[in-house]
Amino acid sequence: DAKTTQPTSMDCAEGRAANLPCNHSTISGNEYVYWYRQIHSQGPQYIIHGLKNNETNEMASLIITEDRKSSTLILPHATLRDTAVYYCIVSSSGSARQLTFGSGTQLTVLP
Amino acid sequence: DTAVSQTPKYLVTQMGNDKSIKCEQNLGHDTMYWYKQDSKKFLKIMFSYNNKELIINETVPNRFSPKSPDKAHLNLHINSLELGDSAVYFCASSRNRGADTQYFGPGTRLTVL
Repeated sequence: DAKTTQPTSMDCAEGRAANLPCNHSTISGNEYVYWYRQIHSQGPQYIIHGLKNNETNEMASLIITEDRKSSTLILPHATLRDTAVYYCIVSSSGSARQLTFGSGTQLTVLP
Repeated sequence: DTAVSQTPKYLVTQMGNDKSIKCEQNLGHDTMYWYKQDSKKFLKIMFSYNNKELIINETVPNRFSPKSPDKAHLNLHINSLELGDSAVYFCASSRNRGADTQYFGPGTRLTVL
């Protein structure tokens, strides 16, 4: 699976959009981009995933560049409860989805 | 209702002991996983079972042995515990082996003294 690079930490004001970038320049054609988050001391939580097209669900939007070498997770109206470590993961569409978590981005939403 | 549950939540034990961590999912999923999160917060997969069959077995010491009595349960038994085994262990499940979403349990914090 391709490696991902994320900033170590980011701050965001409550109520504003949080934009979390991820670089995955070695992504291959059959690899998806997944985003999970881990709120302190809890298990990771799935947020969203995509292959080529931009995706949106009730939690977030995922913007993938045309060359698929980077992506951005957008939390449209961040709340204090969104403070967490956000992981960008690239995983192939093989027979078993083996998620390899990196160090992630610590997002702190400020009041 | 808790989707993926683990027991115990905390486990403190002495070096050399044998211990087990239990995981149950009530989502009707076919695939279950064990992950280890070390002190540096890196989360790594250890094992995966699909319908009670082992499908992923990462480089994990033989002291770790997963057991799946049925597809709703995946237990982790650890023999001869070492200091380096101290970590948080997360169980997860997914609808099937190719499913996009994995659902994680709350974790078991293991401390080896």
